[in-house]
Amino acid sequence: DVKVTQSSRYLVKRTGEKVFLECVQDMDHENMFWYRQDPGLGLRLIYFSYDVKMKEKGDIPEGYSVSREKKERFSLILESASTNQTSMYLCASSPTWWDSGRAGGGYTFGSGTRLTVV
Amino acid sequence: DQQVKQNSPSLSVQEGRISILNCDYTNSMFDYFLWYKKYPAEGPTFLISISSIKDKNEDGRFTVFLNKSAKHLSLHIVPSQPGDSAVYFCAASSGGGNKLTFGTGTQLKVEL
Repeated sequence: DVKVTQSSRYLVKRTGEKVFLECVQDMDHENMFWYRQDPGLGLRLIYFSYDVKMKEKGDIPEGYSVSREKKERFSLILESASTNQTSMYLCASSPTWWDSGRAGGGYTFGSGTRLTVV
Repeated sequence: DQQVKQNSPSLSVQEGRISILNCDYTNSMFDYFLWYKKYPAEGPTFLISISSIKDKNEDGRFTVFLNKSAKHLSLHIVPSQPGDSAVYFCAASSGGGNKLTFGTGTQLKVEL
């Protein structure tokens, strides 16, 4: 069964801490994404990556950075956590568009990390 | 700037009835639309999709309708079942790219 695995289900961090959220996929997908989910705001794209060592900003990149040193791993970094970064973080991966056959976009999501910053 | 909007944050229907979830978009470059379903403490899972060259796509109890002139799509679930209770997100993409823009979500509750 193919999977996107997020390292933690729940995290509590203090304001100002540097926080690492890890995501690993076993499907050999080229694309990986980080979203956050907030009530009334839906899923908002933070960063994405089309290839190893490549990254592009999404809609809300401020306060975040990412790292993709290996194809299967995509890390989200909160440089200095703040209370407004308390949220559900979702990682996803997908094959290239033509490989997916556009069937559902080929997205597979992880189960999410509920981060609370106090 | 919310390019994909779901104006109903919640919807409650009786088991066996039809559920209709709506989604509006503003970006005319969107050419592929999807619906995802999300249970609490799980990631979203793909439900059904539609290309802009079509106006309807059906898969079992789920049908998606697209009205390009109105920039509106809807998801019909019939008959609704208690297991359909979840948050539903619509999403859109453009130009064959993999980046999806998601809506704000609608919490569907199917009551016995």
